Amino acid sequence: GQQVMQIPQYQHVQEGEDFTTYCNSSTTLSNIQWYKQRPGGHPVFLIQLVKSGEVKKQKRLTFQFGEAKKNSSLHITATQTTDVGTYFCAGPQGGSEKLVFGKGTKLTVNP
Amino acid sequence: DAGITQSPRHKVTETGTPVTLRCHQTENHRYMYWYRQDPGHGLRLIHYSYGVKDTDKGEVSDGYSVSRSKTEDFLLTLESATSSQTSVYFCAIGGALLVNEQFFGPGTRLTVL
Repeated sequence: GQQVMQIPQYQHVQEGEDFTTYCNSSTTLSNIQWYKQRPGGHPVFLIQLVKSGEVKKQKRLTFQFGEAKKNSSLHITATQTTDVGTYFCAGPQGGSEKLVFGKGTKLTVNP
Repeated sequence: DAGITQSPRHKVTETGTPVTLRCHQTENHRYMYWYRQDPGHGLRLIHYSYGVKDTDKGEVSDGYSVSRSKTEDFLLTLESATSSQTSVYFCAIGGALLVNEQFFGPGTRLTVL
């Protein structure tokens, strides 16, 4: 079945350092979504990318969708302690409303 | 946050007992989902619903059943709980036309002893 893989599984950074997580799908995706889950919280939608090669920015966060629409990345510039949490990518399964989630990257930030 | 509530928020039960988790939404979304979250496995879909009385299985549906008799309520039942079903369960709603983002409830932490 369709698989969505994320690396790294864990990332520890010093506050102010950059952070990147990568997402790869076994199949071409119509879109890819990113979610953030704070410790003890629930996943919260961040963004959806639809177009091949698309790049979107949200303040210090930059999201990219690969040209082949099979991979994506999330880059955080100059991390802050508020960035702590687990970041998930997710892609739709086939043409359905079901999402397949990556296993997530857990980010910790040392102040 | 979207209007999604889950009950109970925490539950401890014993192996072999039935358990029902409830998800309630006030957003009138057509699609509702049940996930479980376990360390190292991320979010895995158990069942989902695409309308009243319309449900389908996800990737980890064994041992679980669901029902949706009203748009706003989606119930997840463990007929006979096992220790392997100890997990955090999240309900989500979604399926908008342009952006199919999902909104998650606060979660239910279930422990099966």
